[in-house]
Amino acid sequence: QVQLQESGPGLVKPSGTLSLTCAVSGGSITTSNWWTWVRQPPGKTLEWIGEIFHSGTTNYNLSLKSRVTMSVDKVKNQFSLRLTSLTAADTAVYYCARATAAATVIEFWGQGTLVNVSS
Amino acid sequence: VLTQSPATLSLSPGERATLSCRASLTVSNFLAWYQQRPGQSPRLLIYDASNRATGIPARFSGSGSGTDFTLTISNLEPEDFAIYYCQQRANWPRAPTFGGGTRVEIK
Repeated sequence: QVQLQESGPGLVKPSGTLSLTCAVSGGSITTSNWWTWVRQPPGKTLEWIGEIFHSGTTNYNLSLKSRVTMSVDKVKNQFSLRLTSLTAADTAVYYCARATAAATVIEFWGQGTLVNVSS
Repeated sequence: VLTQSPATLSLSPGERATLSCRASLTVSNFLAWYQQRPGQSPRLLIYDASNRATGIPARFSGSGSGTDFTLTISNLEPEDFAIYYCQQRANWPRAPTFGGGTRVEIK
């Protein structure tokens, strides 16, 4: 079955930019699925950040839209998240995941990576 | 908005757990449940309100439609003590939302 693995820095400075990559294995990124980012601040619930289709079509959470960019690399079978103008409120575990073709349900999750925004 | 209750459920192994998720507006049956064990990523349990995901034991069941949903765990096993989240996405491409979670703890 598909496996997802996040990679990126664990510490980013305030006002800086976070870049995370999710490597997909066990399946192609060109399936009819939506590739998703979700985050979870320590001790809090989950927040959907956005999704990307292999064609490059994206949907973002309106609350983050001005700061978020997602991209997909079909050659490397991976997708990426870029989040700008970071504050302490962006400290969270960031998960990459695969949603169904209808994008209503998240089927598979990566293990998550903790990102701490601090000087 | 999805509101989960109770926030914490204290039960013993072998007991039945009943978790509630209420939506502020109808979500039809576009409701999913996830389990998150400590230090782990969420795991899909139930989709479309009542369908078990692949590999999920039969002791997990979901019901409801519209605005009121229930996740029932019959005969709690030690590995079932975790946090459970409901999630809706009734209006794609609008963002899906998650409930605040219910922690099922050992009494």
